[in-house]
Amino acid sequence: EAQVTQNPRYLITVTGKKLTVTCSQNMNHEYMSWYRQDPGLGLRQIYYSMNVEVTDKGDVPEGYKVSRKEKRNFPLILESPSPNQTSLYFCASSPVLSGANVLTFGAGSRLTVL
Amino acid sequence: GENVEQHPSTLSVQEGDSAVIKCTYSDSASNYFPWYKQELGKRPQLIIDIRSNVGEKKDQRIAVTLNKTAKHFSLHITETQPEDSAVYFCAAALTDSWGKFQFGAGTQVVVTP
Repeated sequence: EAQVTQNPRYLITVTGKKLTVTCSQNMNHEYMSWYRQDPGLGLRQIYYSMNVEVTDKGDVPEGYKVSRKEKRNFPLILESPSPNQTSLYFCASSPVLSGANVLTFGAGSRLTVL
Repeated sequence: GENVEQHPSTLSVQEGDSAVIKCTYSDSASNYFPWYKQELGKRPQLIIDIRSNVGEKKDQRIAVTLNKTAKHFSLHITETQPEDSAVYFCAAALTDSWGKFQFGAGTQVVVTP
């Protein structure tokens, strides 16, 4: 089944404790992206990647890091989480070269930073 | 960069009536405008999209219209049903560069029986 898989789905952590949210897709998509969803603010893009070893900042990249060492994986790293990073996070992927442009989202990861 | 504004933020409609959600965008170069539906506790899913070379697209009870001159596009849902209750997001993107993908803030649609 074609899908985007995120882990963990739920996480409660404390300020300053490094964490990684993994994202993996099995559709051979070139484009992958991370969003955070907060009430009244919609989906805001954190980082995106056009292909392996190519990443760029979205609108709200502060406090986050990403890497794209393999085409299928695009982990989101919070080096020193703070309470304002409490949010619902979505990973998404899309084919680029085919021109289809449809974003497929993961199920979401709800993060709480105390 | 691109900025997408979406209105209204909430919309309550009677079952069977029509619902219209409007979005405006700032970057005249944007050429791809999708709409995503997010049901409670679920992930966003594409329901319809339109490219800049067409003015309207329909898929059963949903339609999207695009006015490139005014830089706005709208989602129309006819004969609304309770299962249409969800948050709807519009977005704008430039497919040539396919980098930033800007979403609107979302519209909570509630369809009452």
